[in-house]
Amino acid sequence: DTAVSQTPKYLVTQMGNDKSIKCEQNLGHDTMYWYKQDSKKFLKIMFSYNNKELIINETVPNRFSPKSPDKAHLNLHINSLELGDSAVYFCASSPFSGNTIYFGEGSWLTVV
Amino acid sequence: QKEVEQDPGPLSVPEGAIVSLNCTYSNSAFQYFMWYRQYSRKGPELLMYTYSSGNKEDGRFTAQVDKSSKYISLFIRDSQPSDSATYLCAMSAVLTGGGNKLTFGTGTQLKVEL
Repeated sequence: DTAVSQTPKYLVTQMGNDKSIKCEQNLGHDTMYWYKQDSKKFLKIMFSYNNKELIINETVPNRFSPKSPDKAHLNLHINSLELGDSAVYFCASSPFSGNTIYFGEGSWLTVV
Repeated sequence: QKEVEQDPGPLSVPEGAIVSLNCTYSNSAFQYFMWYRQYSRKGPELLMYTYSSGNKEDGRFTAQVDKSSKYISLFIRDSQPSDSATYLCAMSAVLTGGGNKLTFGTGTQLKVEL
């Protein structure tokens, strides 16, 4: 049983396209996140949602728009993709007052 | 200067060796300290979680936190080839409004050889 699942795992797309990555967690957590890992393996938070409300938005371009239809789902939509968006995007979740975050398997995005 | 510094390695050790992985940090507001293990093409997996200074042991893994020196360590005893992975330290301060913002080190790549 996958705790945090995200799709697709691999995505290759052209510059200028719009794409979405979906995430679902079955841990019953209130808080969900998107993290970005660059080519040097540096992992940095992008967004955090608590029970469908945005808590953290870390100076991410407006082309990135997270959407949380309910507390078990957090999707990431990216408009007008650029070469620099190529990275691994990780969805994660944690309890509201917890300090342990559980990550999904990642979505490898390559923009060509 | 980055908030969290971690030697990227790679670190290569023989099977059975004791491995020491370290991170230093500059933000004195950090109170929660974690170590994640990340295998190739996989997501980070939580290994150890500690609050404030002190030691915590879990099987072959020991996490140490020294807040006065802003220094954390992860020790792996009797290292195995299956321990070969990238180890990421992470830390956070308390967030108002819930949720948690982890700040990660860049990760240390470890290879345990037969």
